[in-house]
Amino acid sequence: EPEVTQTPSHQVTQMGQEVILRCVPISNHLYFYWYRQILGQKVEFLVSFYNNEISEKSEIFDDQFSVERPDGSNFTLKIRSTKLEDSAMYFCASSEALTGQLNQPQHFGDGTRLSIL
Amino acid sequence: AQTVTQSQPEMSVQEAETVTLSCTYDTSESDYYLFWYKQPPSRQMILVIRQEAYKQQNATENRFSVNFQKAAKSFSLKISDSQLGDAAMYFCAYGSFIQGAQKLVFGQGTRLTINP
Repeated sequence: EPEVTQTPSHQVTQMGQEVILRCVPISNHLYFYWYRQILGQKVEFLVSFYNNEISEKSEIFDDQFSVERPDGSNFTLKIRSTKLEDSAMYFCASSEALTGQLNQPQHFGDGTRLSIL
Repeated sequence: AQTVTQSQPEMSVQEAETVTLSCTYDTSESDYYLFWYKQPPSRQMILVIRQEAYKQQNATENRFSVNFQKAAKSFSLKISDSQLGDAAMYFCAYGSFIQGAQKLVFGQGTRLTINP
C-alpha cells in the first residue's frame, strides 16, 4: 500500500538555525498538509497546500514557516530561525481529491521529531 | 472555531473484551466529517474509521464501529474483541473543508491499553 514518507526521522538543530523537513506524499494525491504535535499535547494543524499554493494556515504558521513543492514528488516545511518552542513531532499528510468526493481521508507519514537545542 | 474533546486520557480493557472511547465536538457547520486515528508506539497515524455527518448510519469497519449522535455532537468508537495490537493512542478528529482542502482538528487523545 502506498505510504507517505518523511525524512529525517529525527532532526536535532541549534536554536536560530534553519531546518527543512521533507515529505514524499502518495503519488496521486493532490492535497498536502503539515501538522505538529508538541510532546504530551494534541496534534495541531499547521497548513494545507494545493495547486502550488497554501489553501489555509493556522495561527502557528507565522512568517518563520514556509512550505514548498520543489518538484513533482517532494513537499517541504522550512522553519527559518528555529526557537525552542518549535521542538515537536511534525507530521506530513496527503489526500487525493476526486470530483464530487471531497471526503478522501488524509494519510499520514511517520513524522519527524524535531529537537531544538 | 471547531473543538474536539476526548475526556478519557487513558483506558484499559481485557483482551477479547469490548471498549468504547468517547469523543465530543463543537461546531456550527452542518457538513463535516469525523475520524478516528490510531497512533501506535511506531508513531504513524493510521486511519481507523470515518463518518460523514450527513449519513445517519453509523460507520463500521470490521471490529471497529462508531456511535454518531449528531444532535449531541458525540462520536464514540467501539472496539469489539480487543486485540493486543489495538494498544495505541487513539485520536478523534473533526474534518472541515476550505477550498477543497481538509483541515483536521484533533482531540487530546486516549491511550488504550490491552491487558492479556
